[in-house]
Amino acid sequence: GAVVSQHPSRVICKSGTSVKIECRSLDFQATTMFWYRQFPKQSLMLMATSNEGSKATYEQGVEKDKFLINHASLTLSTLTVTSAHPEDSSFYICSAQIGGGGTDTQYFGPGTRLTVL
Amino acid sequence: GQQLNQSPQSMFIQEGEDVSMNCTSSSIFNTWLWYKQDPGEGPVLLIALYKAGELTSNGRLTAQFGITRKDSFLNISASIPSDVGIYFCAGSGGGADGLTFGKGTHLIIQP
Repeated sequence: GAVVSQHPSRVICKSGTSVKIECRSLDFQATTMFWYRQFPKQSLMLMATSNEGSKATYEQGVEKDKFLINHASLTLSTLTVTSAHPEDSSFYICSAQIGGGGTDTQYFGPGTRLTVL
Repeated sequence: GQQLNQSPQSMFIQEGEDVSMNCTSSSIFNTWLWYKQDPGEGPVLLIALYKAGELTSNGRLTAQFGITRKDSFLNISASIPSDVGIYFCAGSGGGADGLTFGKGTHLIIQP
């Protein structure tokens, strides 16, 4: 149980184009999903919190107009990197939350490697 | 903002040895999680801790949530080659809070 998938696993795009990444919880429903970014040899950094049926909450320094998040259902959240530039190249990882009552746990997807040329 | 200090940064051990790593925080967390990440993959949950003082085991892994809610350790007993990877601690305030990650401990097992 608690399987999270991401698609695509890798994407290469030209500078200025937009890229959409999907995050799905396969065997459970998740009211809350999260998006993280990880640069080479660094830790994961939280970008935003995705809430089903409402607007995402972005961390300080993350541009909401550049990283569009849509959590349209209890099993799907999407991250769209708009007008991507080389500095947006990174490993993007989503997580889905299970729990409640003080036992919240996040399960991560396998990540999406974005390379912007 | 919240910060997690994870140590050691890397460990070079021999197969069969025990491993210990820890994390400390400048502030209190309500949930403490330990993950393992292999290259090019997402983190995999190892152990979740929810109560101060809680000691939890998962096979050869044991983790404890500090009484003050500001620290945690992870022990691995009798290491095997597949234990190689990067181990991250992560803390959360609970609810809809995202995770704050430590910088990771890179475990390398020498033959």
